[in-house]
Amino acid sequence: DAGVIQSPRHEVTEMGQEVTLRCKPISGHDYLFWYRQTMMRGLELLIYFNNNVPIDDSGMPEDRFSAKMPNASFSTLKIQPSEPRDSAVYFCASSPDTTYEQYFGPGTRLTVT
Amino acid sequence: AQRVTQPEKLLSVFKGAPVELKCNYSYSGSPELFWYVQYSRQRLQLLLRHISRESIKGFTADLNKGETSFHLKKPFAQEEDSAMYYCALVRAKGGGADGLTFGKGTHLIIQP
Repeated sequence: DAGVIQSPRHEVTEMGQEVTLRCKPISGHDYLFWYRQTMMRGLELLIYFNNNVPIDDSGMPEDRFSAKMPNASFSTLKIQPSEPRDSAVYFCASSPDTTYEQYFGPGTRLTVT
Repeated sequence: AQRVTQPEKLLSVFKGAPVELKCNYSYSGSPELFWYVQYSRQRLQLLLRHISRESIKGFTADLNKGETSFHLKKPFAQEEDSAMYYCALVRAKGGGADGLTFGKGTHLIIQP
């Protein structure tokens, strides 16, 4: 198993552009999490899904951020419009139903200029 | 709201010396505590969890509810222990996963 897969690994975009980050969880995992890591705030939970349904999106910073999980093997995190302060590393993680252990992807490093 | 504090951003020790990475938490309910580690160019991965009470790679961590601490310890540091270490908390909901609350991490450097 390749583990959690994220794409792209690096994204550089200009302010105002739409950015879409993608995640494929580990097959059979019921939970999918999106985190953001910045120097100032560290690792923060943005949103998580259980069986493709959003459970807690209280960490989503504002309406410019949206996340979807159309099926068990794919999720997207979209930022529209992007701003320089969105520059961060975005991690996706998945977890089976039987444990709190989360398996992390390699992250997407987003730079908004 | 829950919070995890790691007071040391950077900790440098010599090979063979004892290591202790500090972690304190605040949460009014019953948390589960974890240590995650990120080695250079690798993914963030689980090192250990308090409920398993096991030693992984020589590391142990004991949950002290009175002091709300979950410090990570190793009696003899090795160079391959150099990494970023994150303490994390999850609200124990009695079933099903929940999002992790992370500390800001401690960069451990083991000098030869």
